[in-house]
Amino acid sequence: DAGITQSPRHKVTETGTPVTLRCHQTENHRYMYWYRQDPGHGLRLIHYSYGVKDTDKGEVSDGYSVSRSKTEDFLLTLESATSSQTSVYFCAITPSGGLGTEAFFGQGTRLTVV
Amino acid sequence: DQQVKQNSPSLSVQEGRISILNCDYTNSMFDYFLWYKKYPAEGPTFLISISSIKDKNEDGRFTVFLNKSAKHLSLHIVPSQPGDSAVYFCAASEVQGAQKLVFGQGTRLTINP
Repeated sequence: DAGITQSPRHKVTETGTPVTLRCHQTENHRYMYWYRQDPGHGLRLIHYSYGVKDTDKGEVSDGYSVSRSKTEDFLLTLESATSSQTSVYFCAITPSGGLGTEAFFGQGTRLTVV
Repeated sequence: DQQVKQNSPSLSVQEGRISILNCDYTNSMFDYFLWYKKYPAEGPTFLISISSIKDKNEDGRFTVFLNKSAKHLSLHIVPSQPGDSAVYFCAASEVQGAQKLVFGQGTRLTINP
């Protein structure tokens, strides 16, 4: 258990509504990430954070925003959900970066946009 | 543009035999490589890694080989056990900076009794 909690674990929402997913860590790690997993694509990076209020875009950031007001929480917001954002979302953390360390993943949030 | 590729979507191996999972990459800036294992309804769990200064790393039944000139790595599992049945993801990153992982598409490994 890497001390990562994602909430909610499952969510069904309607097209056009905003949705916020939460990632909470108890490890005090600097780096946090949001990935999405889709068949045929593996996991793809959406956004990441390298500190409180320090965030940057990943490979598939369009339609998503993030916020990190505390070290332990990293929020992912779908501003206006679309069916193409139906996916499984994973949060991850790494201790420090810079020296080649493994990322630890949460259990995932399955989001369905109808 | 898929920078990390796992060309075999699935692999079936008999229990006790060797499982070999393959991964190719195109970005020469990658210098750290990882394998993750994923069971249904769970997050990926770290299995083994290798840095570009090595060509082999071993951890129990798991060995990762890296061929930098061919931009190819492989994961060997010996002997294969039923609990090894899962989806395996290859991932790569640059050591310096934010450790952003680029994943392959995954290979579903099935170990048959």
